[in-house]
Amino acid sequence: EAGVAQSPRYKIIEKRQSVAFWCNPISGHATLYWYQQILGQGPKLLIQFQNNGVVDDSQLPKDRFSAERLKGVDSTLKIQPAKLEDSAVYLCASSSTGTQPQHFGDGTRLSIL
Amino acid sequence: QQQVKQSPQSLIVQKGGISIINCAYENTAFDYFPWYQQFPGKGPALLIAIRPDVSEKKEGRFTISFNKSAKQFSLHIMDSQPGDSATYFCAGGSGGGADGLTFGKGTHLIIQP
Repeated sequence: EAGVAQSPRYKIIEKRQSVAFWCNPISGHATLYWYQQILGQGPKLLIQFQNNGVVDDSQLPKDRFSAERLKGVDSTLKIQPAKLEDSAVYLCASSSTGTQPQHFGDGTRLSIL
Repeated sequence: QQQVKQSPQSLIVQKGGISIINCAYENTAFDYFPWYQQFPGKGPALLIAIRPDVSEKKEGRFTISFNKSAKQFSLHIMDSQPGDSATYFCAGGSGGGADGLTFGKGTHLIIQP
């Protein structure tokens, strides 16, 4: 089966600009997660969707980050305005049901100048 | 967010040796403990996972040992090979794995030929 697809792979922007990332989960996977991985650290959960509803967004910096999953399939994560500390790899993961393993995409590497 | 503490930060093992990585968690609600392997430029890939109703799980050369009373778990890689050189992350999750994961900071493992 095809894995989790993410785009773009790399993005370079200046601080205070906006940026969006796209994720297409594995077909049929109802649960979708966005994680932030800062260099040298483990991934940190930003938001979890079950179909198109938000399950957990307690660690999402809502003043600048937003995410949606309108039709319960693809998802987008947006940052506006970006700060230097947002430089990281943004990983998307999906699972078929909540108790099944999370499968990760290869992420989008964001650099803020 | 309660932490998962992982050690060592880096590890060098000779080919054929045993690699051991340790993790400790704080959140007693965790009931799912996966280990992920990550290569540069790639997303984390699930290696092996354990639930707290068992004290050990083995899959090929990889073994998880789990101590519920101490809130600790470890990964043992037997007969370590150069292809095992990667960064390894332990994680904890609740809801049987349905919830987002809390990751350790990672261990950079190098297997010397």
